[in-house]
Amino acid sequence: KNEVEQSPQNLTAQEGEFITINCSYSVGISALHWLQQHPGGGIVSLFMLSSGKKKHGRLIATINIQEKHSSLHITASHPRDSAVYICAVARTYKYIFGTGTRLKVLA
Amino acid sequence: IAGITQAPTSQILAAGRRMTLRCTQDMRHNAMYWYRQDLGLGLRLIHYSNTAGTTGKGEVPDGYSVSRANTDDFPLTLASAVPSQTSVYFCASSGASGDNEQFFGPGTRLTVL
Repeated sequence: KNEVEQSPQNLTAQEGEFITINCSYSVGISALHWLQQHPGGGIVSLFMLSSGKKKHGRLIATINIQEKHSSLHITASHPRDSAVYICAVARTYKYIFGTGTRLKVLA
Repeated sequence: IAGITQAPTSQILAAGRRMTLRCTQDMRHNAMYWYRQDLGLGLRLIHYSNTAGTTGKGEVPDGYSVSRANTDDFPLTLASAVPSQTSVYFCASSGASGDNEQFFGPGTRLTVL
């Protein structure tokens, strides 16, 4: 079993839908990082969080340390949100990555 | 320079050739990392450096070497490239090893024929 699990692996949504991507981990962490990667593109930081909730525009990230679970929500999704979303947990000197959730938002 | 830069952007290389991927950051970050990204496998750590003058092996270090002569630069060398090293390579840095947020470079797409 991977130390960091993301679900779903693939997700197709209609424009305007509310989207949730989940990340569960089985190890102790200092923080969790949500990253975004567009096809053929670089890796962009969305949120780094160690407790509670953060919001930026239409994106919201939450983390529950006791349950070892984080969620990334996208409100009013748009085709430009189509990308791979990667969860990474920070542990000592390195990250442990999930394998990503591939999101496609249809117009 | 703003953030992290990598060079080259892409490269096609014959098997057996030596290749150095360059990574430079201007954020005075202590820690730097090299990852490879392959379809279906996600990001895997090749080598890392907690501070200038020190390096360590990651998850998939074989066939790669690194050096950290100063804070800003962290080159990755393939001494004798093989086709299985075809991948997208990302460099990253963070302010302090482990807990701080990692910032990623734009990536280098390497094809070994």
